[in-house]
Amino acid sequence: AQSVTQLDSQVPVFEEAPVELRCNYSSSVSVYLFWYVQYPNQGLQLLLKYLSGSTLVESINGFEAEFNKSQTSFHLRKPSVHISDTAEYFCAVSENYQLIWGAGTKLIIKP
Amino acid sequence: DVKVTQSSRYLVKRTGEKVFLECVQDMDHENMFWYRQDPGLGLRLIYFSYDVKMKEKGDIPEGYSVSREKKERFSLILESASTNQTSMYLCASTPPTINYGYTFGSGTRLTVV
Repeated sequence: AQSVTQLDSQVPVFEEAPVELRCNYSSSVSVYLFWYVQYPNQGLQLLLKYLSGSTLVESINGFEAEFNKSQTSFHLRKPSVHISDTAEYFCAVSENYQLIWGAGTKLIIKP
Repeated sequence: DVKVTQSSRYLVKRTGEKVFLECVQDMDHENMFWYRQDPGLGLRLIYFSYDVKMKEKGDIPEGYSVSREKKERFSLILESASTNQTSMYLCASTPPTINYGYTFGSGTRLTVV
């Protein structure tokens, strides 16, 4: 069975600094990978996903994630964060017709 | 856009009450899910359904039941609410092909007093 590890429960970073949120999954079999974002008191929204093809995927608001099969990782990055990026970020991996979730990482933007 | 609607954003109920949380999706999705979210524990799957009248237990089904009489509606029932069921409840739906990911509702924050 798949498992997903988000190593950092919280990541504090200064505004306009770069950030990386880490995600590792357990199995190297063919999977789909997702990042979701949850703003305070809201549901989760799809940020980006990897299905196949190019290992680098991008979102419309400047985030990107790179699929690394050998390291079973799917880390999320942004070169310059804004206060509006304050949220909790969840990594998920497909298993059969379901998603297996990481525990989430809270991104805290310091002014 | 796919829409998943949860009937209440905030709910306060008394211990021992029977509580119904409703979730409706408008994109004809086969699969629907109920999660609860607690600080530090991430998302925990309560129940899911892959077709009308079908249901499967998730990781933490105790104290909950579900109903799916119509494809678009998936209800979560707390038979006798307890204070340890105070939580954020999230509903999600997806077609059979997981490559679309899940679409979530806005969540229901339930407080049991």
